Amino acid sequence: SQQGEEDPQALSIQEGENATMNCSYKTSINNLQWYRQNSGRGLVHLILIRSNEREKHSGRLRVTLDTSKKSSSLLITASRAADTASYFCATGDTGRRALTFGSGTRLQVQP
Amino acid sequence: GAGVSQTPSNKVTEKGKYVELRCDPISGHTALYWYRQSLGQGPEFLIYFQGTGAADDSGLPNDRFFAVRPEGSVSTLKIQRTERGDSAVYLCASSFQGSGSYNEQFFGPGTRLTVL
Repeated sequence: SQQGEEDPQALSIQEGENATMNCSYKTSINNLQWYRQNSGRGLVHLILIRSNEREKHSGRLRVTLDTSKKSSSLLITASRAADTASYFCATGDTGRRALTFGSGTRLQVQP
Repeated sequence: GAGVSQTPSNKVTEKGKYVELRCDPISGHTALYWYRQSLGQGPEFLIYFQGTGAADDSGLPNDRFFAVRPEGSVSTLKIQRTERGDSAVYLCASSFQGSGSYNEQFFGPGTRLTVL
């Protein structure tokens, strides 16, 4: 079963703009991770944020985590056409190693 | 190898047949995971191995699904009496599982299974 929902389901922006995706979840988590997927195949890990962290940066990526609201956001700054992909949040629930994925946000960056 | 590999990349079979899907994890990764992804959805967990043993098989949908990892490296996902609803992309992931840590999982390219 899916953990929660990502919002929006689809997003279309122009190159150079920022893209923000949100993720909500339902259970108690140990960590939350964001993945990118191109063409419906292998997922690429982007960033991991632990439950005791509130914000994390990696290059053009910024992730926030609000455990009181059970939500996270992924910000991609200065987007590029190559950022076009589906983005998934995945939670590591307390006591489990398996990841529980959301349904994803499909990002289209227009050149 | 450099990453997680999965074979075959595509598998077409007929309803009722038996299939095996193979995953070769990153060398040295003790944890191995199988997920299934249907069109337009996120991956759904099937089973997790720590070493040779299945530490969590709570995601397997029914007893037609079985997975093994006999030597703690390569894993095979086995599906008996396939049904059309089994059609999906089957993803394998591995991670280095340090004690008390939760690490990123590295995914393979997946096997696209089509049951006719």
